[in-house]
Amino acid sequence: EAGVTQFPSHSVIEKGQTVTLRCDPISGHDNLYWYRRVMGKEIKFLLHFVKESKQDESGMPNNRFLAERTGGTYSTLKVQPAELEDSGVYFCASSGQGSYEQYFGPGTRLTVT
Amino acid sequence: RKEVEQDPGPFNVPEGATVAFNCTYSNSASQSFFWYRQDCRKEPKLLMSVYSSGNEDGRFTAQLNRASQYISLLIRDSKLSDSATYLCVVNIGETSYDKVIFGPGTSLSVIP
Repeated sequence: EAGVTQFPSHSVIEKGQTVTLRCDPISGHDNLYWYRRVMGKEIKFLLHFVKESKQDESGMPNNRFLAERTGGTYSTLKVQPAELEDSGVYFCASSGQGSYEQYFGPGTRLTVT
Repeated sequence: RKEVEQDPGPFNVPEGATVAFNCTYSNSASQSFFWYRQDCRKEPKLLMSVYSSGNEDGRFTAQLNRASQYISLLIRDSKLSDSATYLCVVNIGETSYDKVIFGPGTSLSVIP
């Protein structure tokens, strides 16, 4: 069974540009999460989808971040316009219905210059 | 006080040693707890879930003390391959819909 996949693995963009990250969860997993790890800090929750609905987006830093999960399958996280402090590793995770156990993707390393 | 705190380490132990990591959490409503391991520049991988007073999986034992809001991970007979960062993760509510909080991680190096 394929695990959680993320694309791209790395992205280097200039301040002010737009970047879109993609996550494909494990097939059949209703729950999809986005997390971010900024250098030297712990992994922080961004938001949680249940199917196509946003269950909790309390961790989204500001309105420059937009997450979507149309159709309840893959999800995208867009940052527009990117700022220097957005640099970090963005992880996606998924879990089955009613399950607490989350499985992580390999992450997207975003560098904003 | 941070919601989830861990000994930062690093812990440097010889092969075959027993090592224990501690984690404390601040939200008394938390019901579910996990240990993940993260290798350098890789994603976190679930190591153990801790739902009751504790559980054991081979060389790994996790214990939970709800009264003290404390979780521990014990690794026996350490292997070189155990070298990684160990993340304590706490579900802050009572359902799987509640978000999880990650601790900062404890770094372990097992040396030959």
